[in-house]
Amino acid sequence: AQSVTQLDSQVPVFEEAPVELRCNYSSSVSVYLFWYVQYPNQGLQLLLKYLSGSTLVKGINGFEAEFNKSQTSFHLRKPSVHISDTAEYFCAVSDRWGLRDDKIIFGKGTRLHILP
Amino acid sequence: EAGVAQSPRYKIIEKRQSVAFWCNPISGHATLYWYQQILGQGPKLLIQFQNNGVVDDSQLPKDRFSAERLKGVDSTLKIQPAKLEDSAVYLCASNKGGAAGYSPLHFGNGTRLTVT
Repeated sequence: AQSVTQLDSQVPVFEEAPVELRCNYSSSVSVYLFWYVQYPNQGLQLLLKYLSGSTLVKGINGFEAEFNKSQTSFHLRKPSVHISDTAEYFCAVSDRWGLRDDKIIFGKGTRLHILP
Repeated sequence: EAGVAQSPRYKIIEKRQSVAFWCNPISGHATLYWYQQILGQGPKLLIQFQNNGVVDDSQLPKDRFSAERLKGVDSTLKIQPAKLEDSAVYLCASNKGGAAGYSPLHFGNGTRLTVT
């Protein structure tokens, strides 16, 4: 069975500073990996995804993530955060070889606080 | 294109009462999902439909929760009777179907349920 662990429930960061949100996953098969963002009072939207190929994936709003198979990690990074990045970020995994490979399992989320 | 529509936006009920949520997915999306997001946790899949058939309802508490997707378009999720622990945001999502990596989920803004 798949699972996703987001080690930090909250991350405070000063504006214009870099940030890394950590995500580790477990699965017995190959996976697709995702980061979703949820702004206050809004639904989740896809930030970026890893399907195959290059392990460094770039997404919207200047975010990027790196897939590390040996460490089973998919950490999200941004070199300089803005106040508008205040949101909750969810890492998610999908089994790419299963019968129902459209089922996505989410982590518990990391709330990003941008400090002025 | 219009997004995933959900109603109501908020609902407050007393325990043992019944409640129903409605979802209208993006036009042409074959797969529809209902997720439960309890405060401080990531979304948990309750049920997944492919057109009007159920693909996965393994985590749906069937003694009190029910869902249907008549005609393969709109869907309703019902809770009867509600318990305090059902307080959560109920998210509806849809995609074109197939592997999640190649057909991203589109989420509605959710229905926030408070059971008192």
